[in-house]
Amino acid sequence: DAMVIQNPRYQVTQFGKPVTLSCSQTLNHNVMYWYQQKSSQAPKLLFHYYDKDFNNEADTPDNFQSRRPNTSFCFLDIRSPGLGDAAMYLCATSSTRLFWTSGGYSTDTQYFGPGTRLTVL
Amino acid sequence: GESVGLHLPTLSVQEGDNSIINCAYSNSASDYFIWYKQESGKGPQFIIDIRSNMDKRQGQRVTVLLNKTVKHLSLQIAATQPGDSAVYFCAENIIGGATNKLIFGTGTLLAVQP
Repeated sequence: DAMVIQNPRYQVTQFGKPVTLSCSQTLNHNVMYWYQQKSSQAPKLLFHYYDKDFNNEADTPDNFQSRRPNTSFCFLDIRSPGLGDAAMYLCATSSTRLFWTSGGYSTDTQYFGPGTRLTVL
Repeated sequence: GESVGLHLPTLSVQEGDNSIINCAYSNSASDYFIWYKQESGKGPQFIIDIRSNMDKRQGQRVTVLLNKTVKHLSLQIAATQPGDSAVYFCAENIIGGATNKLIFGTGTLLAVQP
């Protein structure tokens, strides 16, 4: 089945030790997103890639970086994790499509992976 | 570790009853709305969506109602089952150029009592 895959599902790191989270997709979607979700809160968008174009949210700390080497893979790098970065990290994908009748662009719904639970010691 | 989270609004229903989960959105320009279900320890799962040119859409056991006048969205679940227990998020889609952004609501915890 086409899907969004995140590895690992659980990640433990030490304070200040860089960590990389991975996302891959078989949906061939051109847009990939990274969200941070803390306990009992809604997902918060960190950034997204539209093809190779990186779009950062204004309030995303510099500590968070991302790479997208190809359509299928996207990585979240946390350069110096702090205790406040412990959270669930969610990857999502969507596709862009053209509405021929209107000539405008719209995107399909976002499909989420299972998430990676990050613990910072 | 993580900071202490907020307490989610909770809807408690009996198995077999109908559930109605409500959501208010903020942006009059939002053109597309989605309901997600999130079980503990999992990613959000798409349930149903609705575009702004509609006021009602039905799926299997679920119905979404959209009232643009008051910027209100609701999710109705018929014959609620224990497997429906989860947090439900509404999300509004805001188009920015050729990509979209989802703005999530705060979420509602649905607790189904057997």
